[in-house]
Amino acid sequence: AQSVTQLDSQVPVFEEAPVELRCNYSSSVSVYLFWYVQYPNQGLQLLLKYLSGSTLVKGINGFEAEFNKSQTSFHLRKPSVHISDTAEYFCAVSEPGTYKYIFGTGTRLKVLA
Amino acid sequence: DTAVSQTPKYLVTQMGNDKSIKCEQNLGHDTMYWYKQDSKKFLKIMFSYNNKELIINETVPNRFSPKSPDKAHLNLHINSLELGDSAVYFCASSQSRAGTGELFFGEGSRLTVL
Repeated sequence: AQSVTQLDSQVPVFEEAPVELRCNYSSSVSVYLFWYVQYPNQGLQLLLKYLSGSTLVKGINGFEAEFNKSQTSFHLRKPSVHISDTAEYFCAVSEPGTYKYIFGTGTRLKVLA
Repeated sequence: DTAVSQTPKYLVTQMGNDKSIKCEQNLGHDTMYWYKQDSKKFLKIMFSYNNKELIINETVPNRFSPKSPDKAHLNLHINSLELGDSAVYFCASSQSRAGTGELFFGEGSRLTVL
């Protein structure tokens, strides 16, 4: 069975500093990987996804993530964060041919002035 | 135009009552989902329908019953509400080959059971 681990429940970071949010997954088969962002009192929206090809994926709002198959990781990065990036970030995995998306427990990014 | 809309946005009710949450998507997607987000923000899949056919039915009490009258709608009915049902319920939809597409989420329906 697939699972997703986001080890950091909260990440505080100062404005304009870089940030990395960690995501590790467990699966016996190839998977597709996603990062979503949830702003307060809103639904989730897609930041980026990895299906195949280049392991470095660029998304919206200056975020990028790198797929590392050997470490079963898909960490999210941004070189310089803004106050507006304060939100909950979710890593998710799906298995090709299934409709099931499994989410991690989320990481709360808090950007400090 | 809201892509995935849920009603109501807030629902406060007493234990033992029955309630429904409605979801509609105007994206032309084939697959719709219900997710439950608890107070710790954990998102758990509950149900999924593809072309009105139930394809995912996780370990959910049978007090929860989804209904998909057509591809654009997926409703959730909950009988005999319990305190533990308090959560935010998200509807989502997707297109594309299974597992590859982006999930489009509604804004959530916050259910509070007193």
